[in-house]
Amino acid sequence: GAGVSQSPRYKVAKRGQDVALRCDPISGHVSLFWYQQALGQGPEFLTYFQNEAQLDKSGLPSDRFFAERPEGSVSTLKIQRTQQEDSAVYLCASSFLIMNTEAFFGQGTRLTVV
Amino acid sequence: QKEVEQDPGPLSVPEGAIVSLNCTYSNSAFQYFMWYRQYSRKGPELLMYTYSSGNKEDGRFTAQVDKSSKYISLFIRDSQPSDSATYLCAMSGFSGGYNKLIFGAGTRLAVHP
Repeated sequence: GAGVSQSPRYKVAKRGQDVALRCDPISGHVSLFWYQQALGQGPEFLTYFQNEAQLDKSGLPSDRFFAERPEGSVSTLKIQRTQQEDSAVYLCASSFLIMNTEAFFGQGTRLTVV
Repeated sequence: QKEVEQDPGPLSVPEGAIVSLNCTYSNSAFQYFMWYRQYSRKGPELLMYTYSSGNKEDGRFTAQVDKSSKYISLFIRDSQPSDSATYLCAMSGFSGGYNKLIFGAGTRLAVHP
């Protein structure tokens, strides 16, 4: 595809439900990032993959958050037992090279926990 | 205190005005300074980036970095209604060898005709 694709665009989950958010990065991009953007705030780093290796997961808020990128392309962010404070936009970004300054963002998945 | 501080606005200006957006930061390790534009319900898109101190110009946009003051700015000349968006500053020190971005809260800009 031409850009980073995320699905679903919108997700409403009942508190306690598990959710899975998908990111299709630009083909061939080595680096993949997940960010969380709360309403009225800037994106906050969650985790980083270099190909299939998860090199940094320091931003994941709790052990309910889990991310994977098993084949070095598509990535999934999973949130178990969702809580209201998990409501946010989850953004995925990718870049071609590790040292690239330009990261291309997807449109995000807006998660609302009710 | 957050590593990157940015006034959330909102900022409302008439078409044609010069807009000044600013961020301050506390981490001396930041080397790359970026400005992203985010339209409502869209992902951020990179406008400009600057390495270390100095100025960079691209059309109507000028980015300035003053590392001694830990202060960065984005100027928009001849602002247009299509510039109405949230502007996010972002910084990176490439710690760990990759481009982990630290964002400001974003400034909402409205340019009215």
